[in-house]
Amino acid sequence: EVVMTQSPATLSVSPGVRATLSCRASQRVSTDLAWYQQKPGRAPRLLIYGASTRAAGIPARFSGSGSGTEFTLTISSLQSEDFAIYYCQQYNDWLSFGGGTKVEIK
Amino acid sequence: EVQLLESGGDLMQPGGSLRLSCAASGFTFENHAMNWVRQVPGKGLEWVSGISGIGASTYYIDSVKDRFTISRDNSRNTLYLDMDSLRVEDTAVYFCARDLVSGWSKVFDVWGQGARVTVSS
Repeated sequence: EVVMTQSPATLSVSPGVRATLSCRASQRVSTDLAWYQQKPGRAPRLLIYGASTRAAGIPARFSGSGSGTEFTLTISSLQSEDFAIYYCQQYNDWLSFGGGTKVEIK
Repeated sequence: EVQLLESGGDLMQPGGSLRLSCAASGFTFENHAMNWVRQVPGKGLEWVSGISGIGASTYYIDSVKDRFTISRDNSRNTLYLDMDSLRVEDTAVYFCARDLVSGWSKVFDVWGQGARVTVSS
């Protein structure tokens, strides 16, 4: 089983600031990595797949990078609607989700 | 508008059976694999099961194999999850999720609002 570890667990950021979220895989997953955003009481929303491809309708301030075991989601300038929980998911070997990073208002 | 709408969530006793449904609209249903993903309130996401676009291939997490059955009716644009021998640990919100492709990419680009399943004595 591929274990996905996200850090930090909570990220306190002021609006307008850049946020960087990390995701590490316990074994190499190539670029088979997706990122999802989830707000309280809502379903997850696909942001990024293929490690760096934005899903349809996702603003350009969201970008993904990485390959192998280390991945990053960057939000270039946090907007109020971006405060949420973010999950990474690998789909190279079966599939598994990380535990999430909560991005909260500082 | 692309939409997924789950139904069938309920309060169940351990050992019971339940069927979840997911009605799809706004896209060609058979062109996409479909999945069920669950989430214990306040916790992370756990993929449960997937099915290819024409229903020929099905996939399950080990903990639900031989208890849950995923199926689809492409003429009705509906996905199902039949859940037998329910356990307390199956308690969660169950999301229906569309796959990017008709095969099984395991990337989920559209999600329903979720159906709550509670298993308790």
